Amino acid sequence: NAGVTQTPKFQVLKTGQSMTLQCAQDMNHEYMSWYRQDPGMGLRLIHYSVGAGITDQGEVPNGYNVSRSTTEDFPLRLLSAAPSQTSVYFCASRINTGGEQFFGPGTRLTVL
Amino acid sequence: RKEVEQDPGPFNVPEGATVAFNCTYSNSASQSFFWYRQDCRKEPKLLMSVYSSGNEDGRFTAQLNRASQYISLLIRDSKLSDSATYLCVVSLSGNTPLVFGKGTRLSVIA
Repeated sequence: NAGVTQTPKFQVLKTGQSMTLQCAQDMNHEYMSWYRQDPGMGLRLIHYSVGAGITDQGEVPNGYNVSRSTTEDFPLRLLSAAPSQTSVYFCASRINTGGEQFFGPGTRLTVL
Repeated sequence: RKEVEQDPGPFNVPEGATVAFNCTYSNSASQSFFWYRQDCRKEPKLLMSVYSSGNEDGRFTAQLNRASQYISLLIRDSKLSDSATYLCVVSLSGNTPLVFGKGTRLSVIA
């Protein structure tokens, strides 16, 4: 099993550009989520999903959209990138009844 | 009050030392508790779940005190490879988001 995969690993954007961060898991997990991690701020939840077709907002959803059309994939879209969105983005998945949450390797995003 | 609070450290300890971290949580309805480990520039990984009766995994011991709403992690005989950030994690139930503390940084020195 590949676990949780994220692409790209690194990305540089200009202010105002849009892009999609990809996340996929092959463990048949219902629950998937996106976090951003900034120095001194810890992991902050952006959006999460408890199953295909269901998404909900986390702590810092503004400027980001998600959709969940399949169990495997949970892409994160930046609509109009801003320097404040410079961060490391982690995707994660687990089964809905709890237990270990598995993280992808992260995407390091810089917005100029 | 933040949902999950941890001392950020850093804790600088010599090899072989015993070190303990505490974490407090604000929501008394929390049901699940974990310690995750995060190495520099890597993703977090589960270190251990924390059970009401306390649990041990080799050199690591985790304890939960529901009455005082705190969780602890004890590391015995510290190794250089234990150097990392340790994240305290809490959740209300199975399909609710995990809430992460900001982490405690540990450096084990030779």
